[in-house]
Amino acid sequence: ETGVTQTPRHLVMGMTNKKSLKCEQHLGHNAMYWYKQSAKKPLELMFVYSLEERVENNSVPSRFSPECPNSSHLFLHLHTLQPEDSALYLCASSQVGAGPRGTEAFFGQGTRLTVV
Amino acid sequence: AQTVTQSQPEMSVQEAETVTLSCTYDTSESDYYLFWYKQPPSRQMILVIRQEAYKQQNATENRFSVNFQKAAKSFSLKISDSQLGDAAMYFCAYRTTSGGGADGLTFGKGTHLIIQP
Repeated sequence: ETGVTQTPRHLVMGMTNKKSLKCEQHLGHNAMYWYKQSAKKPLELMFVYSLEERVENNSVPSRFSPECPNSSHLFLHLHTLQPEDSALYLCASSQVGAGPRGTEAFFGQGTRLTVV
Repeated sequence: AQTVTQSQPEMSVQEAETVTLSCTYDTSESDYYLFWYKQPPSRQMILVIRQEAYKQQNATENRFSVNFQKAAKSFSLKISDSQLGDAAMYFCAYRTTSGGGADGLTFGKGTHLIIQP
């Protein structure tokens, strides 16, 4: 198993659909993150979970709903999305509270989301 | 809030040559981490090199090295002996050391590196 695995790799959904993105990490890390990567914009941090508790929500619209049932799994539930939500969604994990080594984030390959 | 600026949307270099990618950042903190990530067409972000702000010595990883100028808030990446596999988007990123390390990364917009054979 690779370090951080995201499914599906590609997703096309209508604006009225409900779907979920899944992320799984096999690195024993205690923090997980969702980032949004849009064309010609910097990666945007959406959500942070540390020790399975949400510690940051960067004013993300409520149509995005994260869930972290345990330290290895992270979900992003999607509903009534807009076309401007089309982007690459990247999941990452890291080990926090462990000095310099704890700051390195490992990323998955992302889910390419298209909202039609 | 911290910001990261990469002023070169695209760079091109001949294979085996050396190229330097620029990055500047803005922060009021004295202790933080800086990173360069590489994103090839496979889309997976791969850590290239890391620098702790409290260390004056520039980080080096094989053909990759940085020029960290803390006072100038500059963090450039030098790639020596460029190889075709180095072709990718390169992102500069910042992370604070506060918050127990749970804070996410602040990224620049990226530099598209092209390697000419």
